[in-house]
Amino acid sequence: EDKVVQSPLSLVVHEGDTVTLNCSYEVTNFRSLLWYKQEKKAPTFLFMLTSSGIEKKSGRLSSILDKKELFSILNITATQTGDSAVYLCAGPNFGNEKLTFGTGTRLTIIP
Amino acid sequence: NAGVMQNPRHLVRRRGQEARLRCSPMKGHSHVYWYRQLPEEGLKFMVYLQKENIIDESGMPKERFSAEFPKEGPSILRIQQVVRGDSAAYFCASSSDRAGGELFFGEGSRLTVL
Repeated sequence: EDKVVQSPLSLVVHEGDTVTLNCSYEVTNFRSLLWYKQEKKAPTFLFMLTSSGIEKKSGRLSSILDKKELFSILNITATQTGDSAVYLCAGPNFGNEKLTFGTGTRLTIIP
Repeated sequence: NAGVMQNPRHLVRRRGQEARLRCSPMKGHSHVYWYRQLPEEGLKFMVYLQKENIIDESGMPKERFSAEFPKEGPSILRIQQVVRGDSAAYFCASSSDRAGGELFFGEGSRLTVL
């Protein structure tokens, strides 16, 4: 059975700090890994990672994948209160679009 | 271009009643997925449909739950004889034919069973 494990489960930091969120996976026929941000409603897409060692960046957020060690990290620098959310990691199987989600990391940014 | 539309946003049912949740995918998307999220838990895959076909229903409970995506109209997730344990947020997502795994999610339908 496919498994995606995220750590830590929750994280509380002060505004301006840098955080690193972790995701490890065991997904058969791995194709790519995705990161989503979920506030109080719909998860919104952040990154899709398919190749090892290539960092993807979007503003203060960046993510990288290690296919050999089966993990990914999501970094957020200079955190802001608007970054408070649950960050979800997910892996699809090759051949269909079914996503297996981790339980998420709840990030809280204190002003 | 409207996103994925779900309704109702909130639904309250008594035990034993039926719940129907609707999802209209993004324009141009023909793949629909339903996920369930229990409080403090991650999203759990339920079912994957294309127009008029169920592609993968491995996450659906065997009884009381069904899903369809007709040729015309929205996808519907139907829960018969609801029980308290069905209380959750049900998210619908859609993707295009050539999506590489990126799903676009709706706002979710929150079901409360009294």
